Amino acid sequence: DSGVTQTPKHLITATGQRVTLRCSPRSGDLSVYWYQQSLDQGLQFLIQYYNGEERAKGNILERFSAQQFPDLHSELNLSSLELGDSALYFCASSVASETYNEQFFGPGTRLTVL
Amino acid sequence: DQQVKQNSPSLSVQEGRISILNCDYTNSMFDYFLWYKKYPAEGPTFLISISSIKDKNEDGRFTVFLNKSAKHLSLHIVPSQPGDSAVYFCAASITGNQFYFGTGTSLTVIP
Repeated sequence: DSGVTQTPKHLITATGQRVTLRCSPRSGDLSVYWYQQSLDQGLQFLIQYYNGEERAKGNILERFSAQQFPDLHSELNLSSLELGDSALYFCASSVASETYNEQFFGPGTRLTVL
Repeated sequence: DQQVKQNSPSLSVQEGRISILNCDYTNSMFDYFLWYKKYPAEGPTFLISISSIKDKNEDGRFTVFLNKSAKHLSLHIVPSQPGDSAVYFCAASITGNQFYFGTGTSLTVIP
């Protein structure tokens, strides 16, 4: 158990809809990262937050947004969903903001868009 | 554009033998590399890392080798155990920036 929790574990929705994925980092970790893993793809970095502020942005679509709250949990919002958004979404946390700090991954949320 | 590539989707090895997982990268600015291991229905877990100032790092049965001139990274597992059966991802970063992950290699260790 990495100490990172993600809810829900599974989500099935329809095209055009909006969903929110939630992540609670390990106790004491200030950084939260979001990744997308599509079929046969590696983990694609989406976005990083550090202590409530956006720190780095990867290949995140404009239809996607995220935030980190004062209690350090984070939410990833996906809107106007398309079939191609079906993927595993992982959240990871680390103690600081630099990438040489080990990232601890949650179990992921599997999103299926029908 | 895949900056980190794992060209072998799968690998099978007998228990007790050496497992060698390979990873190639294209960006010469990468200065920090990691291997993660992933079991089904779980998130990736950190295995071992190496900074670009080194060419080898060992941790028990796991050794990572870095060949900067070839832009090549490898993970050696000796001896391989059935519990090592998992998907292995390599990742690279420019320190202070985002990670780039490979597509993973599924290792099966046959008892």
